[in-house]
Amino acid sequence: EAQVTQNPRYLITVTGKKLTVTCSQNMNHEYMSWYRQDPGLGLRQIYYSMNVEVTDKGDVPEGYKVSRKEKRNFPLILESPSPNQTSLYFCASSLSGRGHEQYFGPGTRLTVT
Amino acid sequence: GDSVTQMEGPVTLSEEAFLTINCTYTATGYPSLFWYVQYPGEGLQLLLKATKADDKGSNKGFEATYRKETTSFHLEKGSVQVSDSAVYFCALSLPFGNEKLTFGTGTRLTIIP
Repeated sequence: EAQVTQNPRYLITVTGKKLTVTCSQNMNHEYMSWYRQDPGLGLRQIYYSMNVEVTDKGDVPEGYKVSRKEKRNFPLILESPSPNQTSLYFCASSLSGRGHEQYFGPGTRLTVT
Repeated sequence: GDSVTQMEGPVTLSEEAFLTINCTYTATGYPSLFWYVQYPGEGLQLLLKATKADDKGSNKGFEATYRKETTSFHLEKGSVQVSDSAVYFCALSLPFGNEKLTFGTGTRLTIIP
């Protein structure tokens, strides 16, 4: 089954404790992206990757890091989480090119206290 | 910058009612337009899309037409069902560079029997 998986689905952590949210897709997609969803703001892009070893900042990259060492995986790293990073996070992937559908993972709900 | 404005919610309708959710956009160039749907506790799923002016996207009884002259992509359905209750997001992506989706804030739709 074609899918994007994320782990963990739920995470409660404390300020400053490094964490990683994993994302994996099995569709051989070149493009992958991370979004955060906050009430009243819709989804905003954090980072994206056009292909292996090619990553760049989205609209709200502060406090986050990513890597793309393999085509299928695109982990999101919070080196020192803060309460303003409490949010719902989605990973997405697609084929490259105009108008392709982006496939979304099920989401990771992160709470930073 | 590029942006999407969609109808404020929440929207509550009776089963079999006619649905319209308004969406307008601002973009440089010629974007592709999308409607995504988010069911409770799940990630976003593509509902329909249109990649050029006057295209009509349709799926599951929903329709939306890409209107360049009014920069709109309104979502319609002739007869809604309880199972259509979800949050609906209008989004655009541009045909160059980062293929990110720029989302509206979402419209929560509730259908009552």
